[in-house]
Amino acid sequence: AQSVTQPDIHITVSEGASLELRCNYSYGATPYLFWYVQSPGQGLQLLLKYFSGDTLVQGIKGFEAEFKRSQSSFNLRKPSVHWSDAAEYFCASAGGYNKLIFGAGTRLAVHP
Amino acid sequence: EAGVTQSPTHLIKTRGQQATLRCSPISGHTSVYWYQQALGLGLQFLLWYDEGEERNRGNFPPRFSGRQFPNYSSELNVNALELEDSALYLCASSSRTGRQETQYFGPGTRLLVL
Repeated sequence: AQSVTQPDIHITVSEGASLELRCNYSYGATPYLFWYVQSPGQGLQLLLKYFSGDTLVQGIKGFEAEFKRSQSSFNLRKPSVHWSDAAEYFCASAGGYNKLIFGAGTRLAVHP
Repeated sequence: EAGVTQSPTHLIKTRGQQATLRCSPISGHTSVYWYQQALGLGLQFLLWYDEGEERNRGNFPPRFSGRQFPNYSSELNVNALELEDSALYLCASSSRTGRQETQYFGPGTRLLVL
């Protein structure tokens, strides 16, 4: 069955440090992958998406993600984290019949 | 351009009651999706409506139902509420129906069942 795994439940980084959030997917065919961010009490905001083509995709707020088919990964990165990036981040894969399959999420804390 | 809107923002009900949640998609979007985000259970797909028809349903009991209106807005109804129905219910919309279509989410309705 199709699944998305985010191995890290919580991550803490210092402001200005680099960030990498891990995501692994399982899907036999071409995956359609997304990263969303959720601030406390809010809905989900799309950061970026991968459908095909260039394996390094740029998103909003300075985020990027790299698709690696050989590792079944779609990790999210940011070179310098800001305090406002503290939130929960969800990786998702588009499944059959249009449903999104989400990972469990990674909660990011940013220390000043 | 206005995003996906949901109402109410918060809803408090008691066990056994019915809850109705509403969603208006982004203008021009015909597909509406419902997801449940319950504590400890993550984000789970509930329902997908397109062009007024239910197209897909997640692993939820029949007391979760909904509909889509001619203007593409949607309602989610939860009958015979149980305590474990307490969750954030998120609505999303997309412009077309393929797997590659991006789903844009609303702010959610937080349902509390007492």
